[in-house]
Amino acid sequence: KAGVTQTPRYLIKTRGQQVTLSCSPISGHRSVSWYQQTPGQGLQFLFEYFSETQRNKGNFPGRFSGRQFSNSRSEMNVSTLELGDSALYLCASSDGSGTLHTDTQYFGPGTRLTVL
Amino acid sequence: AQKITQTQPGMFVQEKEAVTLDCTYDTSDQSYGLFWYKQPSSGEMIFLIYQGSYDEQNATEGRYSLNFQKARKSANLVISASQLGDSAMYFCAMREIDSNYQLIWGAGTKLIIKP
Repeated sequence: KAGVTQTPRYLIKTRGQQVTLSCSPISGHRSVSWYQQTPGQGLQFLFEYFSETQRNKGNFPGRFSGRQFSNSRSEMNVSTLELGDSALYLCASSDGSGTLHTDTQYFGPGTRLTVL
Repeated sequence: AQKITQTQPGMFVQEKEAVTLDCTYDTSDQSYGLFWYKQPSSGEMIFLIYQGSYDEQNATEGRYSLNFQKARKSANLVISASQLGDSAMYFCAMREIDSNYQLIWGAGTKLIIKP
């Protein structure tokens, strides 16, 4: 089975621009979660999508949004970029059963976003 | 209060030695899951091992084992016979009902294996 893929792997943008990141989950997985990782804040949960619906949301401003398509692929959008948005954005997929014990998340390689 | 605490920001270990990475957690739930992930410098987060709160046996996966002490609320990762490729950041994470099933992450431990 192919793993989680994320595109692009690297991105350089300037302040005020917007960006869209893409994530393709493992075949058969219906849940996609997005995380932001920075040296100062560590791993922070952005949101989770399951069957095209946002199921959970972290504590990020409305500039961060996402969506999921019928094939479970997901996109994340950040509008009006700020310098502090520079980070590694990780996508994780799981079967989405939501069970405590078996719903292991598998991660993609990440998209490294630099905002200048 | 921190839900997941990893007290070792960094560790140096000689190749072929065993290494224990510490993780303590805080939860009032009876049912929860504990996960360990490895993140090499390339950035990808790699799932290593899982332990459920009701599992009586410590989880093992190849060279990885989890020393689960429920009463002490600790879930330490043990890597036997360390290899140079084990050099990476290691994260402990927990899923509980109170957190709406979302993973709660520790700050990580940077492990460097010396040849």
